[in-house]
Amino acid sequence: SQELEQSPQSLIVQEGKNLTINCTSSKTLYGLYWYKQKYGEGLIFLMMLQKGGEEKSHEKITAKLDEKKQQSSLHITASQPSHAGIYLCGADFTGGGNKLTFGTGTQLKVEL
Amino acid sequence: KAGVTQTPRYLIKTRGQQVTLSCSPISGHRSVSWYQQTPGQGLQFLFEYFSETQRNKGNFPGRFSGRQFSNSRSEMNVSTLELGDSALYLCASSSSGAYNEQFFGPGTRLTVL
Repeated sequence: SQELEQSPQSLIVQEGKNLTINCTSSKTLYGLYWYKQKYGEGLIFLMMLQKGGEEKSHEKITAKLDEKKQQSSLHITASQPSHAGIYLCGADFTGGGNKLTFGTGTQLKVEL
Repeated sequence: KAGVTQTPRYLIKTRGQQVTLSCSPISGHRSVSWYQQTPGQGLQFLFEYFSETQRNKGNFPGRFSGRQFSNSRSEMNVSTLELGDSALYLCASSSSGAYNEQFFGPGTRLTVL
């Protein structure tokens, strides 16, 4: 979706390295969701950030929402092979209900 | 708690047929959303049901329809299948209104021949 741009499209990192994935919106964000997907499978919920700007962490993953820039970033510290997959950001542009607009995804590979 | 379940997991149909997919949300969740995922268009929102009422709708033709039952289970139907309907169909459930975590099921892989 052009309303939500995700970068980079793909990323290859060595195990133990840090990485950042960005998600930029052209519209006002009421909420921003991060998911991880293994190819052809369902989405695994990672984090949800609400309008107003937030930062959340879970294990080695930190997500931030910058309200001024309408941008979110997902940062993984000390990457592991288990982090490999497709990362998707999903935006709530309506502020009501659960209609999410998704980015095109970032494919992450972690090399040993 | 059991997660979101979708049946069937795989389905093969021919053009012109219709298909019904089922989604059982997490116990206690009242909102069910449906998404279509294809390599070309990515993940796109189809519709959302909350307490048996359609609350949000995406930009899909009328061939795509859905419903929700009193136990929150939901079905989506696609009539007059086209080759382009081949996709992974995902449903997600959440507990109530907006700003709640949405949990996705494993998806139904539909192939239209």
